[in-house]
Amino acid sequence: GDSVTQMEGPVTLSEEAFLTINCTYTATGYPSLFWYVQYPGEGLQLLLKATKADDKGSNKGFEATYRKETTSFHLEKGSVQVSDSAVYFCALSDDAGNMLTFGGGTRLMVKP
Amino acid sequence: GAGVSQSPSNKVTEKGKDVELRCDPISGHTALYWYRQSLGQGLEFLIYFQGNSAPDKSGLPSDRFSAERTGGSVSTLTIQRTQQEDSAVYLCASSLDPRNQPQHFGDGTRLSIL
Repeated sequence: GDSVTQMEGPVTLSEEAFLTINCTYTATGYPSLFWYVQYPGEGLQLLLKATKADDKGSNKGFEATYRKETTSFHLEKGSVQVSDSAVYFCALSDDAGNMLTFGGGTRLMVKP
Repeated sequence: GAGVSQSPSNKVTEKGKDVELRCDPISGHTALYWYRQSLGQGLEFLIYFQGNSAPDKSGLPSDRFSAERTGGSVSTLTIQRTQQEDSAVYLCASSLDPRNQPQHFGDGTRLSIL
């Protein structure tokens, strides 16, 4: 079945540091890929998405590129802020959008 | 508000009791999903409703779990004879078009079984 693997946290960075959170997937067909974010005490929010190979999703300074050849969707941000501290989930959905398969989540802590 | 609404936000109950969790999707969204978020298992899919089609129940962990969606809108997730391992945050999501639009999540119901 489909699966998503993302780097374990926590990831601790200083403000303005560069962020990469790795995500790789296993899926049949042509899945859509997502990053969701969960801020402390809040629900899951969609951060960005990509629906086909080589698409780049971007939002709030975060970016991720759908790489079919390496089955990856790594999340990057050039300069993190304290307010980016949250848990980040990589996810995929199959062609029909039947369900999301999530990675285990990566906690990011940004220190001033 | 225009988002997915779940109630109650917190529920504490004794082992063996039945619980019902409610989800109000975003108006007009035809697809509705239930997930469970627990410490040991991460985020797991439970069940999926799409329009008038038969629901995809492949993620339900046991026959103590059931869900219904009345009138294509509100959904209720029922857990019978609750066990301590059912303690988790139960998340509901909805989507306007599951093939082309993302899922939008509610804030969840935190269920604690004593």
